[in-house]
Amino acid sequence: LAKTTQPISMDSYEGQEVNITCSHNNIATNDYITWYQQFPSQGPRFIIQGYKTKVTNEVASLFIPADRKSSTLSLPRVSLSDTAVYYCLVGDNTDKLIFGTGTRLQVFP
Amino acid sequence: KAGVTQTPRYLIKTRGQQVTLSCSPISGHRSVSWYQQTPGQGLQFLFEYFSETQRNKGNFPGRFSGRQFSNSRSEMNVSTLELGDSALYLCASSLVETGFDEQYFGPGTRLTVT
Repeated sequence: LAKTTQPISMDSYEGQEVNITCSHNNIATNDYITWYQQFPSQGPRFIIQGYKTKVTNEVASLFIPADRKSSTLSLPRVSLSDTAVYYCLVGDNTDKLIFGTGTRLQVFP
Repeated sequence: KAGVTQTPRYLIKTRGQQVTLSCSPISGHRSVSWYQQTPGQGLQFLFEYFSETQRNKGNFPGRFSGRQFSNSRSEMNVSTLELGDSALYLCASSLVETGFDEQYFGPGTRLTVT
């Protein structure tokens, strides 16, 4: 299981784009990169998953460079409701989910 | 489609007692995983079940056990409760057999051990 490193916390203001970078230097060939969001006293919620290049869905984009040793979750035009903890996970389809400490995003008005 | 449900939502027990938590996965999901979340240790994987078989297990003592029934519903049991077992216990289900596919989490059971 590749270990991930992400900033402990980030601050932003409403309407801004937020980019959260995750480092995973030991990522394996079969590993996918997945991001979850968690609000207080709730279970994590799947945001996006990717293998390489760029993935976009209705809530976020995931950018993965060619060497795949890092990835960036991009949240366009954040709102107060995006205040949460964001987790980056790396693994293949045989792995259990291992959550790191996550990044606590605080969005201010 | 109903989401993952967990019962009870809140529970208070005393040291030495045992507790059983229940999880009903999303209809059609056959993989169920359990996690413990505490402020100090974060989210930690307990175990995963698929087709009534434990497929993965985290680093928790034998006091923590689980099982899965033929309808994919799962229970976890903690015996001889300790104060440190106070936590939010989360259950997650996924459609496929493997653990890394998109998992859907329930609201959790908040266990307090006094």
